[in-house]
Amino acid sequence: QVQLVESGGGVVQPGGSLRLSCAASGFTFTRHAMYWVRQAPGKGLEWVAFIGHDDGTNKYYADSVKGRFTISRDNSKNTLYLQMNSLRAEDTAVYYCARAAFYAFDIWGQGTMVTVSS
Amino acid sequence: QSALTQSASVSGSPGQSITISCTGTSSDVGGYNYVSWYQQHPGKAPKLMIYEVSNRPSGFSNRFSGSKSGNTASLTISGLQAEDEADYYCSSYTGNTWVFGGGTRVTVL
Repeated sequence: QVQLVESGGGVVQPGGSLRLSCAASGFTFTRHAMYWVRQAPGKGLEWVAFIGHDDGTNKYYADSVKGRFTISRDNSKNTLYLQMNSLRAEDTAVYYCARAAFYAFDIWGQGTMVTVSS
Repeated sequence: QSALTQSASVSGSPGQSITISCTGTSSDVGGYNYVSWYQQHPGKAPKLMIYEVSNRPSGFSNRFSGSKSGNTASLTISGLQAEDEADYYCSSYTGNTWVFGGGTRVTVL
């Protein structure tokens, strides 16, 4: 079945780095653009980043993460990544990867928790 | 990238219909027919309910319908059921970025 599985979350100190992964299965990964979306504890959803379906030439970021986060993909491994640098307390959230379809987020992973704390 | 505006909560009795609104600007909701809606139960990942303003993913209940007028999109849930109690989020494409609403808590009385 169509599935997205995130990994790589954890506890990191302010200013630190973390790389999240999202393993895709059950669909043709190269045909779909992908997103990262996050949700701070008790808060709403926030779009984080987008990457096009092909070699990832098209990448877009929310202002809140621009210059600190980098989205990438390895189509040979059916895997999406989010490299997060210069982490701040306000980056604490559950991070979801999601598949793009019709400018919407049509399939979601279960999420991975990132906690930025000293 | 300001969040879209949703009412904080809406409630209804089983069998009733409720409508959740999502207000943006001409740069997002009003400028594109790429509004989508998501249902999220506590501790779970969001689930796509409506895309492109009014389209339902195949196999999804027709009790959920979407519409848009100007800068405001709406999600209507008809024949409210206990399992519809959840948080609902709207989202809009804004031209190489996306924005979500703050979420609406739906309570079934």
